Amino acid sequence: DTAVSQTPKYLVTQMGNDKSIKCEQNLGHDTMYWYKQDSKKFLKIMFSYNNKELIINETVPNRFSPKSPDKAHLNLHINSLELGDSAVYFCASSQEFLRGANTDTQYFGPGTRLTVL
Amino acid sequence: GEDVEQSLFLSVREGDSSVINCTYTDSSSTYLYWYKQEPGAGLQLLTYIFSNMDMKQDQRLTVLLNKKDKHLSLRIADTQTGDSAIYFCAESIGDDKIIFGKGTRLHILP
Repeated sequence: DTAVSQTPKYLVTQMGNDKSIKCEQNLGHDTMYWYKQDSKKFLKIMFSYNNKELIINETVPNRFSPKSPDKAHLNLHINSLELGDSAVYFCASSQEFLRGANTDTQYFGPGTRLTVL
Repeated sequence: GEDVEQSLFLSVREGDSSVINCTYTDSSSTYLYWYKQEPGAGLQLLTYIFSNMDMKQDQRLTVLLNKKDKHLSLRIADTQTGDSAIYFCAESIGDDKIIFGKGTRLHILP
């Protein structure tokens, strides 16, 4: 069974459109993340949710809005897509977050390649 | 299949060097990375190495790549309490795939 899944795997769309990328984890984890992989293939964190509550919100345009209907899902909605939004977006999950000095292994999805034309 | 493996735990005395090891299976990787995860934070890129290099040094960090053995290591000189974190090894394959290890938790002993 896939632990962290993302749909779609590839997304090609026109500038100005609104699109969503879905992420689901079946690991029973409490925390989920969205990362953007830039052109140099570095991962930069965008958001993190713990039990449906926003924990990390890095400096991303407010056109990006995460939505967590339940703790197994963290979807990324992007309004008014721009050329610079083209990238691979990775979802991840971990069991715990902000537990003193403890952190947990993150499990990553396969990534979604977004291409904005 | 594609896989990245690393040991789960490492304990090191403050002031000593830490060496975190990683092995990977896909020989077509282009970049290999080390990411650091501190409490309450997402992954932060620590350093990376292009697959045609065998060593990269950046202040206290030294990355060694043995492409023949598909082995990557991260050496942290003069380990300090602030280095306590989980360190993830990762490799990128092609344009749209990045494979992560499960992370090595580095514990600093006083």
